[in-house]
Amino acid sequence: NAGVTQTPKFQVLKTGQSMTLQCAQDMNHEYMSWYRQDPGMGLRLIHYSVGAGITDQGEVPNGYNVSRSTTEDFPLRLLSAAPSQTSVYFCASSPGQAKNIQYFGAGTRLSVL
Amino acid sequence: DQQVKQNSPSLSVQEGRISILNCDYTNSMFDYFLWYKKYPAEGPTFLISISSIKDKNEDGRFTVFLNKSAKHLSLHIVPSQPGDSAVYFCAASAVPNAGKSTFGDGTTLTVKP
Repeated sequence: NAGVTQTPKFQVLKTGQSMTLQCAQDMNHEYMSWYRQDPGMGLRLIHYSVGAGITDQGEVPNGYNVSRSTTEDFPLRLLSAAPSQTSVYFCASSPGQAKNIQYFGAGTRLSVL
Repeated sequence: DQQVKQNSPSLSVQEGRISILNCDYTNSMFDYFLWYKKYPAEGPTFLISISSIKDKNEDGRFTVFLNKSAKHLSLHIVPSQPGDSAVYFCAASAVPNAGKSTFGDGTTLTVKP
């Protein structure tokens, strides 16, 4: 059981480039989320999804797009990378069931030059 | 306005002693609270949680206490072990918004042998 898998683990982009961070889970969880963590700070919610075809914005959604075409996958797209998007990105999934326990991937460390 | 605050960025304790990590929240809509543990270069992992209808939850060496009137929770680790050295995040959610938690900035716990 792989859990939540994020790819790539590391990425360096130039300002203005676009890319997609991949996230896949094999636990058949309905809920999936993307967070970013900046140095010395907690995780801030970017976008989340409560099921296939349903997404919503979190606390810091600007500059990011998401889609959820299947239960398993929840990619995060950076439209035009900016240095302010340099961060560690975590994807999480949750079965819900009134407990909201989230299971996290290992993260993608992104640097935008 | 930060809704979940962990006011101690770091804590150092001796092996075998008690570790107490604190967390305060401001949003009265939060009714489920979680603690996550994070090692370097890994994603957070769920540790223990508590519902707002309880004031204490215990799991082995870990106990979480909730004081709703003070909007305060704490995590007690007894006895502390060197392997407990990690960053601990407090998180809060308003169930049933699974997949949407608000995190504190974390407390780095160091347990000295």
